[in-house]
Amino acid sequence: GQQVMQIPQYQHVQEGEDFTTYCNSSTTLSNIQWYKQRPGGHPVFLIQLVKSGEVKKQKRLTFQFGEAKKNSSLHITATQTTDVGTYFCAGTPVGRGGSNYKLTFGKGTLLTVNP
Amino acid sequence: EAGVTQFPSHSVIEKGQTVTLRCDPISGHDNLYWYRRVMGKEIKFLLHFVKESKQDESGMPNNRFLAERTGGTYSTLKVQPAELEDSGVYFCASSHLRRGNTGELFFGEGSRLTVL
Repeated sequence: GQQVMQIPQYQHVQEGEDFTTYCNSSTTLSNIQWYKQRPGGHPVFLIQLVKSGEVKKQKRLTFQFGEAKKNSSLHITATQTTDVGTYFCAGTPVGRGGSNYKLTFGKGTLLTVNP
Repeated sequence: EAGVTQFPSHSVIEKGQTVTLRCDPISGHDNLYWYRRVMGKEIKFLLHFVKESKQDESGMPNNRFLAERTGGTYSTLKVQPAELEDSGVYFCASSHLRRGNTGELFFGEGSRLTVL
């Protein structure tokens, strides 16, 4: 079955440093979503990428979708303590009509930020 | 607008007992999903409802798990009898019924199940 690998599993940074998490799918994806889960909270949608090579920015966050639509990354510039949490990628394989159901999640990257 | 609500937030039961988790999706959301995260592992799909119909239940671990969505509104997930490996956080999510590459999932706070 489809697998989504996400690295690193943990990342500890000093406030102000940059952070990147990477996602790799075993199969081509129709789209990929990113979620953030604060400690003790629930996953909250950040963004969806659909097009090959797509790059989207949200303030200090930059999301990329690979040309082959099998990998993705999330980069945070100048981290802040409010960025703390687990970042998950979640993909929908090609062939499901673009539906967002049955997302396959990566294991997530837990980001901690030292003030 | 109220978000996805789940009850209970935490349940501690003994092996062999029964637990029923409830999810109230966002009003008007036809899609309802159950996911589970076992400690240290990824969030895994359990099943998907469209209104009251089960669209896909391929992620359900075994026949000890039963999900229902009466009248296409709230959903329940029953585990009977519970086993130790069922421990984890059960997330419910909902979304609009839309075609094409679209739609975020709105997650509830989760129900943490601990089986002793």
